[in-house]
Amino acid sequence: DTGVSQNPRHKITKRGQNVTFRCDPISEHNRLYWYRQTLGQGPEFLTYFQNEAQLEKSRLLSDRFSAERPKGSFSTLEIQRTEQGDSAMYLCASSMTGIYHEQYFGPGTRLTVT
Amino acid sequence: AQSVSQHNHHVILSEAASLELGCNYSYGGTVNLFWYVQYPGQHLQLLLKYFSGDPLVKGIKGFEAEFIKSKFSFNLRKPSVQWSDTAEYFCAVPPRTGNTPLVFGKGTRLSVIA
Repeated sequence: DTGVSQNPRHKITKRGQNVTFRCDPISEHNRLYWYRQTLGQGPEFLTYFQNEAQLEKSRLLSDRFSAERPKGSFSTLEIQRTEQGDSAMYLCASSMTGIYHEQYFGPGTRLTVT
Repeated sequence: AQSVSQHNHHVILSEAASLELGCNYSYGGTVNLFWYVQYPGQHLQLLLKYFSGDPLVKGIKGFEAEFIKSKFSFNLRKPSVQWSDTAEYFCAVPPRTGNTPLVFGKGTRLSVIA
């Protein structure tokens, strides 16, 4: 098992463009989380899935953001009409179900909106 | 809503010095508490966690943390730091009992100098 992987690792885009990130969790993990981290801040929760069901979305997740996990395996996070304020590191994590299981984080996708 | 405060933004220590990083969360009830670490160029990884039982929790690499319910605190300690402990440290707690997405503090950057 190689851990949580995220692609791409870096993305530079122009304001107004759409971007999509992918996260591949640890294979036996049925929970998958998306967080966003900006400079000088800790990760902020965006949304999470149990299998293919999206269980919770943060108020940070504006209408321009959408996440899917169609077959309960990998997940995608799409940002439409990107804005400069979307520039951040987008982190994915996965875990087993239940509060006693730690979340394993991926390396993140760094988004720069110019 | 639950919030996490890490009072030290940047700590600089000499090798062999003792370390204590503060973490306070905003409300009680049954809490699960975590410390994550991010070494330079690496992704977030779990350092230690508290769910119940002995309030003194031991983690990897000689780190420990003490849960003090009356003070809403979960401070991280290490008796003697090494240069390899240079990293960013994040305290985290679920937003509500039984919920699994995490609320992170802003992090404390630790620099250990020879």
